[in-house]
Amino acid sequence: AQSVTQLDSQVPVFEEAPVELRCNYSSSVSVYLFWYVQYPNQGLQLLLKYLSGSTLVKGINGFEAEFNKSQTSFHLRKPSVHISDTAEYFCAVTKGGSNYKLTFGKGTLLTVNP
Amino acid sequence: DTEVTQTPKHLVMGMTNKKSLKCEQHMGHRAMYWYKQKAKKPPELMFVYSYEKLSINESVPSRFSPECPNSSLLNLHLHALQPEDSALYLCASSQVGTEETQYFGPGTRLLVL
Repeated sequence: AQSVTQLDSQVPVFEEAPVELRCNYSSSVSVYLFWYVQYPNQGLQLLLKYLSGSTLVKGINGFEAEFNKSQTSFHLRKPSVHISDTAEYFCAVTKGGSNYKLTFGKGTLLTVNP
Repeated sequence: DTEVTQTPKHLVMGMTNKKSLKCEQHMGHRAMYWYKQKAKKPPELMFVYSYEKLSINESVPSRFSPECPNSSLLNLHLHALQPEDSALYLCASSQVGTEETQYFGPGTRLLVL
């Protein structure tokens, strides 16, 4: 079975500051990794995903994440945040291959202050 | 196009009512999912349909009844719900057999009185 740990439940930052949201996973098999964002009163939107290949993955809205197999991490970064980035961010992992189960972390609330 | 649509956006129902949630996707995905999300928590998987057949039921109470009439539609029939069933219900879809990237709809906010 796989598990996901998001190390910070809340991350407050000021506008235009850089941010890193941390995610660690554990799994006995190869997995696929995802970051989703959920704005207030909305569904989940896919930010980016790591399937294979380059360990640096670029997503929407200027976000990127780096897959580190040795540290079993998939941290999300943005060099300069905006007020509109205020949202809940979920890291998730799946084995794929008709497994269907997406294991989520508990989420990190990113609050961007002016 | 990676859009999953859900109706209604909001639903208020009494404990004796029967209602249905609807989900639709036109991405050609053959797996569709229902999730329940409580406030400040990650989504919890309820059901998975693969090729219109129920593949996973995560021990969901029988007052929730899923239905997949065709490859584009997914319904969730609700009957005799409890106040603790109030939550955001999310639908998602994915391809089958690869990384199964799930694309989510906007959700239905359900309040059970």
